[in-house]
Amino acid sequence: KAGVTQTPRYLIKTRGQQVTLSCSPISGHRSVSWYQQTPGQGLQFLFEYFSETQRNKGNFPGRFSGRQFSNSRSEMNVSTLELGDSALYLCASSSHGVAGGQEQYFGPGTRLTVT
Amino acid sequence: AQSVTQPDIHITVSEGASLELRCNYSYGATPYLFWYVQSPGQGLQLLLKYFSGDTLVQGIKGFEAEFKRSQSSFNLRKPSVHWSDAAEYFCAVGQGQGFSFIFGKGTRLLVKP
Repeated sequence: KAGVTQTPRYLIKTRGQQVTLSCSPISGHRSVSWYQQTPGQGLQFLFEYFSETQRNKGNFPGRFSGRQFSNSRSEMNVSTLELGDSALYLCASSSHGVAGGQEQYFGPGTRLTVT
Repeated sequence: AQSVTQPDIHITVSEGASLELRCNYSYGATPYLFWYVQSPGQGLQLLLKYFSGDTLVQGIKGFEAEFKRSQSSFNLRKPSVHWSDAAEYFCAVGQGQGFSFIFGKGTRLLVKP
C-alpha cells in the first residue's frame, strides 16, 4: 500500500500571500488530520476531517482552513501568511478516526517558509 | 486539561548502551498511548501503541514501552541502541472523545560511537 503523500514538499511564500497544501491519505483511510510542527511549539493539531466533514479543530486562527474531497484527499489553506506560519505541516491518515485509539500514519510533510 | 510531558529534551547514549525515554501523561480516563520517531526531514513513524491489555508492548526496531497507570507513565526502552536510532522521539496521547492527538515536545536522541 502506498503511504501518505504530501505535495509540495517545500514551499517558499511571501508574507500576505496564501498557500494551499495537499495530502493524499492511504487508500481506504477516511480520516485525515493536519499538524503544524515548529521548533518552539512542537507538534500542534490543526484539524481533522472524516468523510468530508471537519470533525475536530485545534486552536488556530481562521486563516487556517481545510477541506476533504470525496476521495478522502485533503487540502489545507493558509491565507494572509505571517512569518510565524513557517513550519513543517504534517498530514496524517487513519482508517476510521472514530476514537482516539486509531493510530495515525504520517506523510513526510510540507516545509513552508514565509519570508 | 490533557497533556503529555517528555521531561528530557536531549539524551545522549553510547552505541550499544540501553535507552529509556520518559513520557508522562495527564488524562482522565485510560488513554491510548503512542510512541513515534522522526528522522531529520521526515514525517513521523509509529514505533508502538498501547490501547489496553498487557502493559508491556513491543514495537518495531527492537523498542518496547511499559504503561504504568499508577505513575501515569509510558516510557520507551531499548536494550541496545544503534547509531541509526538517532532521531527525535515523540510520545502521544489519543483522546477518546473526538479524534486528535496530543504530542509531547519530543526527546532528541544522540548516539555516540
